[in-house]
Order: sequence, then structure tokens, then C-alpha cells
Amino acid sequence: EDKVVQSPLSLVVHEGDTVTLNCSYEVTNFRSLLWYKQEKKAPTFLFMLTSSGIEKKSGRLSSILDKKELFSILNITATQTGDSAIYLCAVATTDSWGKLQFGAGTQVVVTP
Amino acid sequence: DSGVTQTPKHLITATGQRVTLRCSPRSGDLSVYWYQQSLDQGLQFLIQYYNGEERAKGNILERFSAQQFPDLHSELNLSSLELGDSALYFCASSVLGNQPQHFGDGTRLSIL
Repeated sequence: EDKVVQSPLSLVVHEGDTVTLNCSYEVTNFRSLLWYKQEKKAPTFLFMLTSSGIEKKSGRLSSILDKKELFSILNITATQTGDSAIYLCAVATTDSWGKLQFGAGTQVVVTP
Repeated sequence: DSGVTQTPKHLITATGQRVTLRCSPRSGDLSVYWYQQSLDQGLQFLIQYYNGEERAKGNILERFSAQQFPDLHSELNLSSLELGDSALYFCASSVLGNQPQHFGDGTRLSIL
């Protein structure tokens, strides 16, 4: 059975800290791994990773995929209160066309 | 704003009833996906349509059905509602099945 596991489940940090979120997966026919940020409503797309070892960056956020060890990391540097959200990891496979399998998410709380 | 529009935002109804949730995808997106998010199950894939045709199915109950119309909007029909159907229902869209999905704000369904 395919699995996507995120850790930790939640964490609380102070503004300015660096956060590292983990996502490990066990799926057959892996195609891509996606990160989303969910605040009060819709999950918003952050990154899509398909190749191992290539870091994707957007401002203070970055992510990397390790296809050999079957995991991805999402880093947030110099955290701000606006980074408080649930971060979701999802995996797509080549045999499921568009279906995303999501992990349970990591809740990040950034305190002033 | 993701460009994906879902209506209604909130729906309150009783057990045994039937409801229809509506989704308009982003302009140019041919694929529509439906997900259910509950506290104990996380984000679960229900079904996907591409240009009017069903492409992938998740663990969607037989009481649930969906369709995508020629103008590409989609509807999710939920019937014989049970208390356990209370959840947030998201619609997402993408250009193709291997592209990032963009989510609407969801419809919160409350069954009394």
C-alpha cells in the first residue's frame, strides 16, 4: 500500500528560526512530489519536485528530493508569523495520472 | 486567489439528504479533481475528470458521484448523507494530469 508520511506532526518556533519539514514516501511508480501550504482555506502550491538532488527555491522556502532514500525536505529560513500554516506533502505516480496522495501534514506555528 | 471557484462555501443539511457541490476550474485547465478533507482522514482523493471524461477514481463511496460538463465545470453529488460525510470538500484543477493542481477554497459540508 502506498504511504506518505510527514514529520513532525507539529512544531512551534520563534520568528527568525529555521524550520525543516520531512516527507518520506513509499509508492510504486513515483512521478513527482509536491508541497502545499494550507492556511485557513485552500492548499496553495509551493513546489513540485521530480528530479533527485535538485533544490527548488522560492524566497525563504526551499525543497529538495532524494529519490534513492525516498524522502523530501522543505526548509523555511528566517520564519515569520505569516509562515504559520499546515504544510502538506503529496506524491503523484505514473500510473494514477493526476491523483495526489497526501501526507497528514505538519502544523507550523511561528510565535512573535 | 487560485482561480478555482467552488460553491457553496458552506452547506448544512440533515442525514439522508442529497447535495450538489459545484466547481469551476481555472481558465484553460482541463482536469478537475475532487478531494475530501476530514480531521481524522486528512486530504483524500475522490475522483478526477479530464475534458469531460472520468480519468481516475479514489476511495469514493457509491453514494457519491461526479461529472464534468462541456464548459469544464464539475459537480460532485453526495446522496443519502451520513454524519460521517461532514468534511471539507475541495476541488482542484490543472492543465494536464502531470501538472501542479490548484485548489479552490472548498465547500464545508455539515450534516446534522
